[in-house]
Amino acid sequence: KAGVTQTPRYLIKTRGQQVTLSCSPISGHRSVSWYQQTPGQGLQFLFEYFSETQRNKGNFPGRFSGRQFSNSRSEMNVSTLELGDSALYLCASRRDRGGIGYTFGSGTRLTVV
Amino acid sequence: GQQLNQSPQSMFIQEGEDVSMNCTSSSIFNTWLWYKQDPGEGPVLLIALYKAGELTSNGRLTAQFGITRKDSFLNISASIPSDVGIYFCAGQEGSQGNLIFGKGTKLSVKP
Repeated sequence: KAGVTQTPRYLIKTRGQQVTLSCSPISGHRSVSWYQQTPGQGLQFLFEYFSETQRNKGNFPGRFSGRQFSNSRSEMNVSTLELGDSALYLCASRRDRGGIGYTFGSGTRLTVV
Repeated sequence: GQQLNQSPQSMFIQEGEDVSMNCTSSSIFNTWLWYKQDPGEGPVLLIALYKAGELTSNGRLTAQFGITRKDSFLNISASIPSDVGIYFCAGQEGSQGNLIFGKGTKLSVKP
């Protein structure tokens, strides 16, 4: 079965712009989580969505937001981009209710210039 | 907030050698997970541990969940070039908690 699909793979944006990243989870997976990965901070949890509702939220500013659609696909949005937002953004999905671990996508590499 | 201390930060080993890395936490986790990340890809789950003291193997990989639920180690036996990558430990609270990741161990294997 298809894995977690993230689009686009690479993105270059200018400071002050906004960006939307997309994630399609594995079929049947209803929980989608987003992580930011940077060399200095490692993997940091952004938020988790389940059944179109945000279930958990990490310690990121309000410029970072997300949503989930009825087909479990998820998007995250970053507004007013800053240079420090340059990172690999990873999406992970799992079945929930006993799902073993999380399956990660290949990520979207965002570069803010 | 919660933090996982993963060590060593990096390792340079000869092909065929065994590898050991560990992770400690100030908090108790119900689940410990070990992931491997190749360049340009997302982390891939290697082993999941659910019970304190549990020892689990996956091929040449062996991982153990510490008795105190605050630590875990991962061993790789007879390393091969394709073992190169970054290995992450992650702790999960409860069945619905998010993952807290260690900073990773970068493994380099010399043929």
